[in-house]
Amino acid sequence: GAVVSQHPSRVICKSGTSVKIECRSLDFQATTMFWYRQFPKQSLMLMATSNEGSKATYEQGVEKDKFLINHASLTLSTLTVTSAHPEDSSFYICSARPHGNSGNTIYFGEGSWLTVV
Amino acid sequence: AQTVTQSQPEMSVQEAETVTLSCTYDTSENNYYLFWYKQPPSRQMILVIRQEAYKQQNATENRFSVNFQKAAKSFSLKISDSQLGDTAMYFCAFMKQGGYALNFGKGTSLLVTP
Repeated sequence: GAVVSQHPSRVICKSGTSVKIECRSLDFQATTMFWYRQFPKQSLMLMATSNEGSKATYEQGVEKDKFLINHASLTLSTLTVTSAHPEDSSFYICSARPHGNSGNTIYFGEGSWLTVV
Repeated sequence: AQTVTQSQPEMSVQEAETVTLSCTYDTSENNYYLFWYKQPPSRQMILVIRQEAYKQQNATENRFSVNFQKAAKSFSLKISDSQLGDTAMYFCAFMKQGGYALNFGKGTSLLVTP
């Protein structure tokens, strides 16, 4: 089946630094990718929708200058957490919709644990 | 905006028994998709079952089946012959037709006991 790979799976960074998380579709082209955040024992909260070649669409309450999303190719979207703080520590997970897909097929990455110390 | 409600934060079932997880949703859309995802401790999101709103027939995948009541906006998941490996968080999700994102409920933590 289709595979979406996230990297790194775990990252620890210092407060004030930036960290980049990659989301790659390995065997299909993804026109649209979605970034979610999940706090412990909570649900997945949509942060933004990333379309290849255009600016991401952020959900209400998500700071676009803090969570930079780039979707430069049909197989790669990146999430950069800028000037990270401990409250940004969370599980981040991406999903991708194959190019030309009718709409209801979504593939998830394995997720990335971010710890800000 | 669409909302998805899972009213059971935690449930427990004995191995080999049947359990039903509830989900209701609110939408003004007529065409949409509904999903149940399983999230084990590894945090990997695993698609359990999906339902197209235009289909009246309830979806079934082996031991997993849904009871889709469109008028009532209800989408429950039945797990038959529960197995220890079914222990996980289960999320109900809604997607508008047209390439939109999944909108998740708060989840139900299911524990299958020996």
